[in-house]
Amino acid sequence: KNEVEQSPQNLTAQEGEFITINCSYSVGISALHWLQQHPGGGIVSLFMLSSGKKKHGRLIATINIQEKHSSLHITASHPRDSAVYICGYFGNEKLTFGTGTRLTIIP
Amino acid sequence: DTAVSQTPKYLVTQMGNDKSIKCEQNLGHDTMYWYKQDSKKFLKIMFSYNNKELIINETVPNRFSPKSPDKAHLNLHINSLELGDSAVYFCASSPYHMLGELFFGEGSRLTVL
Repeated sequence: KNEVEQSPQNLTAQEGEFITINCSYSVGISALHWLQQHPGGGIVSLFMLSSGKKKHGRLIATINIQEKHSSLHITASHPRDSAVYICGYFGNEKLTFGTGTRLTIIP
Repeated sequence: DTAVSQTPKYLVTQMGNDKSIKCEQNLGHDTMYWYKQDSKKFLKIMFSYNNKELIINETVPNRFSPKSPDKAHLNLHINSLELGDSAVYFCASSPYHMLGELFFGEGSRLTVL
């Protein structure tokens, strides 16, 4: 069993829809990362958070340390948001990532 | 000016060969990492170096040898390449070990024939 579970694995939505991607982990962590990997392959860091909530443009990331759960929300989704979203954490002396959620936004 | 740059972007080679991938960061970060992303897109840490010192070595075969001549560079040398080494290798950096935002290079796609 992977130490980081993401859901859903694949998500297809219409442009403009509100998107939620979930991430659950099983150990105590110091920080959780959300990454975005575009179809071209490059990886960009979206958020690093250790508590509460962060917002950047249309993207919002939340984390509940007690429940070991984080969510990434995208408001007013756009086709350019189509990418693989990966969550991962620094914790337990390791860097561990989930297998990603493939998001496709249809115009 | 690219923050984390790695070369080459593409590498096609025969089984048994030895190859190197180079990585440089101009962010002044203390920590650099090598990750392997397999065909299923699973991103797995291989090594981390903090200020030229090896910190994480995640059960990677001895054929993989990282080298950090200074904290801005972390190179990956692979001996006796095998088919299973085919993957995309990402270099990344962060301000401190296990702390701070991660900055990734563009990736190096290695294909072993």
